[in-house]
This record gives sequence, structure tokens and C-alpha cells, in this order.
Amino acid sequence: GEEVAQTPKHLVRGEGQKAKLYCAPIKGHSYVFWYQQVLKNEFKFLISFQNENVFDETGMPKERFSAKCLPNSPCSLEIQATKLEDSAVYFCASSQSSANGYTFGSGTRLTVV
Amino acid sequence: KNEVEQSPQNLTAQEGEFITINCSYSVGISALHWLQQHPGGGIVSLFMLSSGKKKHGRLIATINIQEKHSSLHITASHPRDSAVYICAVKSGGSQGNLIFGKGTKLSVKP
Repeated sequence: GEEVAQTPKHLVRGEGQKAKLYCAPIKGHSYVFWYQQVLKNEFKFLISFQNENVFDETGMPKERFSAKCLPNSPCSLEIQATKLEDSAVYFCASSQSSANGYTFGSGTRLTVV
Repeated sequence: KNEVEQSPQNLTAQEGEFITINCSYSVGISALHWLQQHPGGGIVSLFMLSSGKKKHGRLIATINIQEKHSSLHITASHPRDSAVYICAVKSGGSQGNLIFGKGTKLSVKP
């Protein structure tokens, strides 16, 4: 499709529970990026993929966060043992190549209570 | 100091006014993006530029690579332009991640 589809739109988890977020990039886009938006305008890069390979994971809190992009499946971002500070909107973006811009998904709002 | 600085943080304008939002960055970049985030939270990519100037409708974006500065202009502003405008730079090579500014919240009054 022509949009980046993120599911679910909203997710509520109790502290310590697992959270799993999904992102279907635009067909034909090789690059997928995950960003975390905390507060209102603070974006933090988490991880990027080139096809199913991790391209850059320097932003990932590795002890609890993991991500995958497997062939023929939506990409996923999983948070084990969520903490209150993980409450944020998680955006996925995809890109076809360096010559093209990004298309952002509508985000998943994660609330940890 | 943030690597991407935007000004102003907040901007209120009357319908019809010409608006300028500024972005300065301190890192080497391969491209600069202007994004629009509506109150509902969705993000729309407005421009990606690496030199010169781009225009789309009432929006104009310019970049000066030597001065590490970009501006986003909105001509004949309208209440529907009310949103947060975010400058983000692409670092670390052609497929580097974006580094975001903190955004400029624009409110256009009728």
C-alpha cells in the first residue's frame, strides 16, 4: 500500500508487562526507522533496518527493547518489562532510497500504567 | 546544546500573514527535512532538501549549507496551517537516521 501502517493505534500496559508494536512499511521501501516521541516534541531514534537487516541500532535500550523486520511480515518493536518512562508515541517511517524522503506512520501511543 | 535548533518555539499569526520558521544545525548532514505534525499526532513530510530552494503550494523551504541554516516560509497563512513544524536532519550518510529539532508550534488565528 501507499501508507505506512502502524498497529495498534493505542496500547495500554501495566508496568512490567510486554508491549509489541507493528509497522508495515510501504511496499518497495527498503528502509524502516523506529522513533520514540516523548513529551510533545522530543524525538529519539531507536533503530533502523535495511530490508530484514539491522542497519543502525545505536538508539536502542538493548536490555528491554528488541526489533525485527522479517520477510513477508510487518516489522515489530517489542518492549519487555515495560516501565513508566516507556510511555510515548512510537513512530515508524519507511524510505525507498537515499534520494527519497520518508513516509511516517500515524504512530502507536503506548501508555504504561 | 542541541544539534538542531529551531526558532521560534511558538508562533501566533493572523490569517494571511507571511510566516518564517528557522532551523540551524551543527552537524554534517546529507539532507534536511521539514515535517508537519498535526494536533492529532500524524506526521507529514513537507520537504526534503540538500541545497537551494523548494516550493510546494504556499510553502517554501530554503537551505544554506555553508551557514548550516534552513527556513520554512508559509505565504498567506490559514488557520488550517496550525500545527507543529519540525526540522530534522539526516546524518551519518545517505541512510542515516534523522535528528529532530524540538519543533515550532504555529497557531494561525482567523
